[in-house]
Amino acid sequence: AQKVTQAQTEISVVEKEDVTLDCVYETRDTTYYLFWYKQPPSGELVFLIRRNSFDEQNEISGRYSWNFQKSTSSFNFTITASQVVDSAVYFCALSDHNYGQNFVFGPGTRLSVLP
Amino acid sequence: DSGVTQTPKHLITATGQRVTLRCSPRSGDLSVYWYQQSLDQGLQFLIQYYNGEERAKGNILERFSAQQFPDLHSELNLSSLELGDSALYFCASSAGQGNSPLHFGNGTRLTVT
Repeated sequence: AQKVTQAQTEISVVEKEDVTLDCVYETRDTTYYLFWYKQPPSGELVFLIRRNSFDEQNEISGRYSWNFQKSTSSFNFTITASQVVDSAVYFCALSDHNYGQNFVFGPGTRLSVLP
Repeated sequence: DSGVTQTPKHLITATGQRVTLRCSPRSGDLSVYWYQQSLDQGLQFLIQYYNGEERAKGNILERFSAQQFPDLHSELNLSSLELGDSALYFCASSAGQGNSPLHFGNGTRLTVT
């Protein structure tokens, strides 16, 4: 069975600090997909990034970067120079390769960025 | 804008009542998912449909039911409502292929009084 673990329930940082959100997944599939979503205080769920299991290249988008390591089954998310607007709940998710995909979410990490 | 439309945005009803939540997926998406999010909780998967057929069931109560219609829109029916059913209910859609992200609607906030 697939499973996603986000061990950090809540994190608080001061603005401009770097912060890393951990995500560890379990799957028996050789082809799978990993995602990160952001849920700001306004409540909507926003898709941030998708990563394929066969592509371990790290990705950077502005202040956001993602580190995918198959050897440790981790897909961690780092925010550099955090800002108050980054305060949100962040969810990591895993999808299988099949049509009508099975999507599994982690429990989420609540990030609070203090001014 | 995710392209997923959920109605209504807010719903206030009394215990014991029945409500219907509606979801229109993004154009072209075949899969619809329903999630429940209680206050300060994670996303609880309820049910998934793919191209009109039930694909997977999560922790959905027997008082709840759902369906996906031929035009691919979906409805979630909640009956015999209890105070504990108060939550944010999200609908999400995807193309249904493994690399397809879920796109979420803005949710329906249900308050049972």
